[in-house]
Amino acid sequence: AQSVTQLGSHVSVSEGALVLLRCNYSSSVPPYLFWYVQYPNQGLQLLLKYTSAATLVKGINGFEAEFKKSETSFHLTKPSAHMSDAAEYFCAVANTGTASKLTFGTGTRLQVTL
Amino acid sequence: EPEVTQTPSHQVTQMGQEVILRCVPISNHLYFYWYRQILGQKVEFLVSFYNNEISEKSEIFDDQFSVERPDGSNFTLKIRSTKLEDSAMYFCAIGQGFRGYTFGSGTRLTVV
Repeated sequence: AQSVTQLGSHVSVSEGALVLLRCNYSSSVPPYLFWYVQYPNQGLQLLLKYTSAATLVKGINGFEAEFKKSETSFHLTKPSAHMSDAAEYFCAVANTGTASKLTFGTGTRLQVTL
Repeated sequence: EPEVTQTPSHQVTQMGQEVILRCVPISNHLYFYWYRQILGQKVEFLVSFYNNEISEKSEIFDDQFSVERPDGSNFTLKIRSTKLEDSAMYFCAIGQGFRGYTFGSGTRLTVV
């Protein structure tokens, strides 16, 4: 079964600092990988996805993630944090079959301080 | 206009009552999913639906849950006899693997 591990349930960074949110997956074959953001009392918004094309994926709001097969990782980064980035971030994995469900990690709450 | 609209946005129901949560995608899709998120916890898969039948379901999706597409556009999740522990945010999603998945804004279900 696939699984996703997000290290760090809470991450705090200063405004303008680098954001690094960690995600490791467990899968027998390279899966599809996703990062979603959830603002308070809102739904899930797709930030970016890896679907076996380029290993460095650029998403919305200046975020990007790099797929590293050797490390089974898909860490999310942003060079400079903004106050508006404060939210819950979920990494998710799906296998490459049809009608594949998403399996989510436990989430990382990002706090951005002045 | 959102790709996936969920109604109601918030529903309060008494324990033991039936609830129906609705999902309307803006265009024709083949793959539908329901997820739930208990307050403060991660998003959990409930069921996937393809070609008008369930393709996969989780352990959470027991006999009190059912899904259907009653008119070919709406996609519904029914909980027959709600329990307190069913209180959660329920998300409908559409999509498929490499195309990604789009989520609705959710229905907050509160069972009292």
